Amino acid sequence: KNEVEQSPQNLTAQEGEFITINCSYSVGISALHWLQQHPGGGIVSLFMLSSGKKKHGRLIATINIQEKHSSLHITASHPRDSAVYICAVNTNTDKLIFGTGTRLQVFP
Amino acid sequence: EPEVTQTPSHQVTQMGQEVILRCVPISNHLYFYWYRQILGQKVEFLVSFYNNEISEKSEIFDDQFSVERPDGSNFTLKIRSTKLEDSAMYFCASMSGPWDYGYTFGSGTRLTVV
Repeated sequence: KNEVEQSPQNLTAQEGEFITINCSYSVGISALHWLQQHPGGGIVSLFMLSSGKKKHGRLIATINIQEKHSSLHITASHPRDSAVYICAVNTNTDKLIFGTGTRLQVFP
Repeated sequence: EPEVTQTPSHQVTQMGQEVILRCVPISNHLYFYWYRQILGQKVEFLVSFYNNEISEKSEIFDDQFSVERPDGSNFTLKIRSTKLEDSAMYFCASMSGPWDYGYTFGSGTRLTVV
């Protein structure tokens, strides 16, 4: 069983739609990360969360420690948001354990 | 904004050959990592490095793999005798310290073993 599960695996949306990507984990964590992987392969860190909620522009990330669940929301989605969004966690070390990613395509 | 630089961006090598993947982490970062992503699969941890020694390694990181920080700027991953299954995207990452979990990733090296 994967320690970090994401849903959905694939997501298509029309421009302007509100998008939610979910992440559940089965281990104790010290931090949870949302990352974006571009079509060329590069990985960019979006958020690091240990509790509560963070917002950056049209992106919002939340975490519920008790339920071992996090969500990434994108408001007013745009085609340039098309990418793979990855959830990753730190447990008791500084290595990251990655989820399988959610491939998002936003169409105009 | 400071970047982690990886070279080459793509390397093709014959099975059994040695390859060295190079990374220049952010200059004031102290913690360094290698991850790999086989095509279509999730990113996997290989090794972490701090204070000039390996701090943690995965089962994947066997005797065929080694890491080195030969000078103050470079961080290298060496695969001694490449296998077909080593074909993957290899990512270097660095972090200033575990107190902020602020990872910065390089853009990756795509290794193809033929």
